[in-house]
Order: sequence, then C-alpha cells, then structure tokens
Amino acid sequence: SQQGEEDPQALSIQEGENATMNCSYKTSINNLQWYRQNSGRGLVHLILIRSNEREKHSGRLRVTLDTSKKSSSLLITTSRAADTASYFCATIVIFGQGTELSVKP
Amino acid sequence: DTEVTQTPKHLVMGMTNKKSLKCEQHMGHRAMYWYKQKAKKPPELMFVYSYEKLSINESVPSRFSPECPNSSLLNLHLHALQPEDSALYLCASSQTTSGQVDTQYFGPGTRLTVL
Repeated sequence: SQQGEEDPQALSIQEGENATMNCSYKTSINNLQWYRQNSGRGLVHLILIRSNEREKHSGRLRVTLDTSKKSSSLLITTSRAADTASYFCATIVIFGQGTELSVKP
Repeated sequence: DTEVTQTPKHLVMGMTNKKSLKCEQHMGHRAMYWYKQKAKKPPELMFVYSYEKLSINESVPSRFSPECPNSSLLNLHLHALQPEDSALYLCASSQTTSGQVDTQYFGPGTRLTVL
C-alpha cells in the first residue's frame, strides 16, 4: 500500500501547548500535503511541501520533510480548542491514516 | 471562487434504489476526484477524471458509476448498493493530474446511508 502512516493516531493536549504529528510514506514523492478534517466534514488543505524543501511555515503551522527517511512532521504551535480535528498527510492522492488531535481548553 | 460543492449533503437509500451524487467546481480545474471515507479512516481514492476522461479507477465495484459531463461537473451514480457502502463520499478537484500533486480542494461531502 502506498498509504502513509500517521503517528500518533490520537493526541490530546491542553490549549496553548504545541502539537506534533508525524507521517511516513512509502513511495518517492514530488511533494507532500497536509490536510485537516473536522468531524464528518470535507478536508481543508493546510500546506504543501515540495520534495526539494526541508521546512515550511504557515502561520502557526510548521512542516518538515525528510525524503531520506520518507517522513514528514506537522507542528501546530500554541494550540487552540478550534484546532481539534483529524490531520492527514497525503502523497499522490494517497492519504495516511491520520492523527486525531483533541485540544482541551 | 475556491469552492467545491456537493449535493445532496445527506442521502438515505435502499439497496434497490438508484441515486446520484453531484459535485461542481468553477475554478477551472481539469482534474476531479471521488473519495470514499469510512468513520475514523482516511479517504480512499475511488476515481480520477482528467480533462473529462476517466484516468484512474481504483478497482471500484460497478455499482458505482462515475460520469463527468463537463469540466465543472462530476457525478457518481449509485445502483444496488450494499449497507457496507454507507460512508462519507468526498469530491475534490485540482488543477492537473501531472506527476506533481496539485493542491486538492475538497467539497463538504455527501453522507450516504444504505439501508
């Protein structure tokens, strides 16, 4: 399967803390994307990182990519209750298993 | 307009019914996708259309029949479904299906229940 694996599968933190999620994938990629999904809703694109990039920032989001290890991480800083959602990485229309983030106020 | 719309939002159907899911985008995207998502699972790719032609069919049963009437519309015709087909069906679009994955824009999904 080309599906990536998110780690951890579930994460519960307090508001204001940072949340880090990891993703591993199996195939060579041109780029990797992170998506967020609120319960039972459509996916929202968060950030795309290209294979020649190692780190990318967008607001409170920081994404890293290590193509030698076939892995990526998503860091959400100073988390808010509104960040509670499932987060997926995706490569070539294949999604990882996702991390369910719960941020307690 | 960066919106992908899907109708209906919810659909309940019996195993002998025929129904259709609709998806529309006006971003000029030439690639459109259908995904199926079960609870607490990632979306699974079903079909990809590129320039109104079916380019990927991920071994989806024939009771699901996609159709792309034009570059803005994507339908999914449903017939003789099984209860295990109950899921959230997501439509997405992107600029191209070149080797690089372009950003996919997702619709809100249709929640399908098969009785």
